Amino acid sequence: GQQLNQSPQSMFIQEGEDVSMNCTSSSIFNTWLWYKQDPGEGPVLLIALYKAGELTSNGRLTAQFGITRKDSFLNISASIPSDVGIYFCAGSLTYNNNDMRFGAGTRLTVKP
Amino acid sequence: NAGVMQNPRHLVRRRGQEARLRCSPMKGHSHVYWYRQLPEEGLKFMVYLQKENIIDESGMPKERFSAEFPKEGPSILRIQQVVRGDSAAYFCASSPNPGVETQYFGPGTRLLVL
Repeated sequence: GQQLNQSPQSMFIQEGEDVSMNCTSSSIFNTWLWYKQDPGEGPVLLIALYKAGELTSNGRLTAQFGITRKDSFLNISASIPSDVGIYFCAGSLTYNNNDMRFGAGTRLTVKP
Repeated sequence: NAGVMQNPRHLVRRRGQEARLRCSPMKGHSHVYWYRQLPEEGLKFMVYLQKENIIDESGMPKERFSAEFPKEGPSILRIQQVVRGDSAAYFCASSPNPGVETQYFGPGTRLLVL
């Protein structure tokens, strides 16, 4: 099946710093999504991307759908303590929920 | 509109017992998905149900695991004769249609098998 490699596994940054994480796949996807999971909770959708090359922002978050359709990145600018959590990428080939594959997550710690 | 609800939030079972996990979807959502999350890993799709029907169970182990979504009441994920390897967080998500971007996740049930 499709393998998603998400990096880095974890990041420790100072409040105010920018953050970048990415996801690569062994095969193409037609949709890339980025989720955030707070401790003890389920994932919450941050950004969805539908087109190769697409660059989408949601507040301080920016995500891009790679041209090759095999990768995506997420940037967080001017991090704040509440950005702490685990960020997951997910990809889908068919645009259907049951087809989604998740990366292993990037665990972000923000020091005040 | 309440979000997706799951209970129990934490469940401890001894090897060989049965685990029953419940999921109440958001109002108006007829599509339910179950995922398993092992420590330090992403979510893995298990099963997709739409009122009274299993649409896709390709991610669910063939033995000991079953799921249902009856006409009335919550969706149930049942694990019979649990083993230590079943210890994980199990998340349910619901959506009004099958398309990506539409599903909302519940808070999960953390299952610990002793």
